[in-house]
Amino acid sequence: KNEVEQSPQNLTAQEGEFITINCSYSVGISALHWLQQHPGGGIVSLFMLSSGKKKHGRLIATINIQEKHSSLHITASHPRDSAVYICAVKDYGGSQGNLIFGKGTKLSVKP
Amino acid sequence: NAGVTQNPKFQVLKTGQSMTLQCAQDMNHNSMYWYRQDPGMGLRLIYYSASEGTTDKGEVPNGYNVSRLNKREFSLRLESAAPSQTSVYFCASSEAVPRSYNSPLHFGNGTRLTVT
Repeated sequence: KNEVEQSPQNLTAQEGEFITINCSYSVGISALHWLQQHPGGGIVSLFMLSSGKKKHGRLIATINIQEKHSSLHITASHPRDSAVYICAVKDYGGSQGNLIFGKGTKLSVKP
Repeated sequence: NAGVTQNPKFQVLKTGQSMTLQCAQDMNHNSMYWYRQDPGMGLRLIYYSASEGTTDKGEVPNGYNVSRLNKREFSLRLESAAPSQTSVYFCASSEAVPRSYNSPLHFGNGTRLTVT
């Protein structure tokens, strides 16, 4: 069973486009994380949120707890945004140490 | 600040060999984690340590052992490597305890391990 589903799996965009990546989950959560994995493999935490909306530069993350859905938006996309974006949730009922990770959305932004 | 440092970056082992993956963080974080990442799958937790002196199993602990040597260091050991352990391994740390995950995770750059 996939408790965290991301869509799309792959996304190609032209530089400057507005991008949306979606994350749906099936469990009650206490927190949701958005991560960015660079082509070289390193992983960076972008956002951690439990309600509402957060913004950092050109990145915006929103979450709707009732609908069990989160979105990551990138405005004015740039080739340097090309990466895999990963959603992860902390399940209320799960093991203390475990986040549930999505499989990631691979974004490619063309110049 | 170096953040989370992992060594080595790459390793090739023969089946049955042993090795230790090293991880250190300089952010004074309480919690540390070891994950593996396989193609087509999300990151999976191997072991975690909520604080110095404590370790707990994650989702896929079989074939691994860990040591939380001190607050900074958390090592992962493969006693007898198997091809199924071919993967990319990430160490991570966070300020908060794992129960809440209410602070960001900081990841190392990963170790790409191949077992032949």
